Parts: sequence; C-alpha cells; structure tokens
Amino acid sequence: ETGVTQTPRHLVMGMTNKKSLKCEQHLGHNAMYWYKQSAKKPLELMFVYSLEERVENNSVPSRFSPECPNSSHLFLHLHTLQPEDSALYLCASSQELGEDYNSPLHFGNGTRLTVT
Amino acid sequence: GQNIDQPTEMTATEGAIVQINCTYQTSGFNGLFWYQQHAGEAPTFLSYNVLDGLEEKGRFSSFLSRSKGYSYLLLKELQMKDSASYLCAVRDSNYQLIWGAGTKLIIKP
Repeated sequence: ETGVTQTPRHLVMGMTNKKSLKCEQHLGHNAMYWYKQSAKKPLELMFVYSLEERVENNSVPSRFSPECPNSSHLFLHLHTLQPEDSALYLCASSQELGEDYNSPLHFGNGTRLTVT
Repeated sequence: GQNIDQPTEMTATEGAIVQINCTYQTSGFNGLFWYQQHAGEAPTFLSYNVLDGLEEKGRFSSFLSRSKGYSYLLLKELQMKDSASYLCAVRDSNYQLIWGAGTKLIIKP
C-alpha cells in the first residue's frame, strides 16, 4: 500500500457511543495531522503530531482524543459526541517542518462521521 | 485575523479556460498551496508558490503576487474530470497553514 489510508470510510454513531478512527501512512513522513472538514468551511486543524509527540491542540473538545503510537499510525478516539461533530475527518502526513517548508500535506480519503 | 477568500462556486465549459482566484490576509507569508479535492476523496496537492510569478504544470498554472496578497489557479483545456473543489492554503509566519473554504468548479459539456 502507498499513501495515507483511513478507516472506516463511513461511521454512524450515537451520542453515547465510543469509537476510534484510524490512519496509517506509508510515505516515511514524520508529522501527522487530524483535520475536520465541514461543508463550505475551511479545513479546521485539530491535532498535529511531530515525531510522535503532540505539538498542537487547537482548542479541541476533550471528547476528541488523539493517539500516535508511532510515526506511521494515528488514531482519533471519539466519545460522547454531539450532532454538530458530524463532518469529514481527514488525516494527513508530511515531512516535518524545519526540514522542508514547502512539503505538501498528503491526505487520506477521510472518515465521513454522522452523529445521531 | 487571518483570512483566505475564494469564490464559493464557478462553472465553466469543457475545453475552455478557467481562473480561480484566492486572496489572503495573513500574519506573514511562507508559501501558498493549491489542492484539488474530488467529492468524497482526499485533497491532493497541485502546486506551491513562494516567489512572485507563474508556475506552470501541464494544463494547470498557479500565479502569485505577494504584494497584492493574491494568487490564482489557471486550468486550461478543461476536462470533465476537472470538476472538483479547489482549495487555497497559505503558510503564515508561524508556518501554520491557513485554509480557504474552497471553490467548487463545475464543468459542463
């Protein structure tokens, strides 16, 4: 496999459920990201991991909990979500900033999350 | 605050040329990216500009004017498969990416 792979592609969950989104990258990158994409809105950066350490948490509610066990894998654990959390959740990877400032992000196809 | 402006939607005809504009107001500038995103798919990298001028890649070109806070993506010889959303993003002085809301491009036969 190549690129960035996200699972599941679609997820429907109730507000009391607990679920996890998974992301895996096969590009040898050392930075990974979670973004939220809502219709007609800019991408919202949620979390950034660089060399497996969280370097950014953009005031994301605690019902979203990231985990980065190694430089190839990233998880987003979800619990007690709200209907307004329904969106497309995108994972991305890149070379770490500082080494290559024009390094583009490589995105996965996303998980379409619906909270009922 | 920081802001990226792009038209919400544009329509063009197959075989024609279309220009998608992006204006930005950011705290500093460390490059501008264009991405293409087909419905239900991942955004994919198209181009990067950090110096003023035009960068050409096949049917796609991207232009930057830093003094005007302005960029455009030019698509030539449009094909139906070019129907997608086009996202503009600027890296600011802290190397954070600031994203526009995207322009949905509709290609008609």
